[in-house]
Amino acid sequence: QVQLVESGGGVVQPGRSLRLSCAASGFTFNIYAIHWVRQAPGKGLEWVAVISSDGSNKFYADSVKGRFTISRDNSQNTLFLQMNSLRAEDTAVYYCARDGTSATPSYYFDYWGQGTLVTVSS
Amino acid sequence: EIVLTQSPGTLPLSPGERATLSCRASQSVSSSHLAWYQQKPGQAPRLLVYGASSRATGIPDRFSGSGSGTDFTLTISRLEPEDFAVYYCQQFGSSPTFGPGTKVDIK
Repeated sequence: QVQLVESGGGVVQPGRSLRLSCAASGFTFNIYAIHWVRQAPGKGLEWVAVISSDGSNKFYADSVKGRFTISRDNSQNTLFLQMNSLRAEDTAVYYCARDGTSATPSYYFDYWGQGTLVTVSS
Repeated sequence: EIVLTQSPGTLPLSPGERATLSCRASQSVSSSHLAWYQQKPGQAPRLLVYGASSRATGIPDRFSGSGSGTDFTLTISRLEPEDFAVYYCQQFGSSPTFGPGTKVDIK
């Protein structure tokens, strides 16, 4: 069965960096785009970034552009999110989510991980 | 950016009743670019409907989606105890955005 398992969350001071990982299994990882979606405590959902199946195309929400970098290692079935210059407003549960269609991204999310909490606080 | 508004914010209903959830977009959204998700406390969202009306794999047929343009609806024909949750609509015609959610509460 499809599984996505995030890791790497924790407490970090404003201005510092953190790297999240998402380990995928149960499907052919290298034919799907993968997204990061976040949810601030008690709030709604916010799309963060997407990376194409081969890693050649990446797109970001304006709120994280220039600070976050999405990447993937298809040989290890793993997705990453490098988060720099973190702010208090980046505090959220970060989910990795598989795109709903293989090949060309469709930007809806058919499988989600359980999420990892990032807290930005001094 | 396309802004999605969901109503009502909270919907108190009893098991067995019909739930009708609304999602309105600030500008027209292609029907193929509208999805609905269910989220329970402490859990990740679960895809219910994509393309405005196509049920995702394993979703019971009591869930149905409809609508076009700027007005979309998720209907739960008869609420089961496990259906009490928060429901989000999402558009993905341009940069993806989510609505603020509707909480279906036990009356």
